[in-house]
Amino acid sequence: GNSVTQMEGPVTLSEEAFLTINCTYTATGYPSLFWYVQYPGEGLQLLLKATKADDKGSNKGFEATYRKETTSFHLEKGSVQVSDSAVYFCALSPNTGFQKLVFGTGTRLLVSP
Amino acid sequence: EPEVTQTPSHQVTQMGQEVILRCVPISNHLYFYWYRQILGQKVEFLVSFYNNEISEKSEIFDDQFSVERPDGSNFTLKIRSTKLEDSAMYFCASSEALIKSGELFFGEGSRLTVL
Repeated sequence: GNSVTQMEGPVTLSEEAFLTINCTYTATGYPSLFWYVQYPGEGLQLLLKATKADDKGSNKGFEATYRKETTSFHLEKGSVQVSDSAVYFCALSPNTGFQKLVFGTGTRLLVSP
Repeated sequence: EPEVTQTPSHQVTQMGQEVILRCVPISNHLYFYWYRQILGQKVEFLVSFYNNEISEKSEIFDDQFSVERPDGSNFTLKIRSTKLEDSAMYFCASSEALIKSGELFFGEGSRLTVL
């Protein structure tokens, strides 16, 4: 079946630190991959996406590369800010029946000044 | 900026009661969804809705659940007889197109607590 595994949180960093949040997936075929972010009191927002192997999604200084060989889509940012504190969700959309997203559990990021 | 809105933000109910969660999707979107997240667990797909009918549903979406778009703007999730295990955050989402080409826009969620 289709599933997403992401690292447990919370991840606690100081401002300007390097961020990695690991995400691996299991899927049949070639899914599309996404990172969604949920800021406090808000809904989930699409942060970035990649629809095929070796694609790199990027937005707001965040990047993730679709690695088929390691079935991974790790989220990275070179220098985090306090305003990046949020919950980050990795998700995939299967190649078939692609109206639905399969999510990971979410990773809470806390950035202190 | 257009957004998906959900009401109520939090509802507390007794086991066995009916609950209706409401959502107003973005006005030009065609696809509507409900997801839920039980505390500490994954966000799970419940149902998708297109062209006034259910297009896909998960195993969770049993006969106790129903969805409706009663008036062309609201999109509702009804739980007929709530159980303790229905306690969760329920997220409504909408999209212009299928996910592969489009993006899902989520509401802030409705927290349901069943006592």
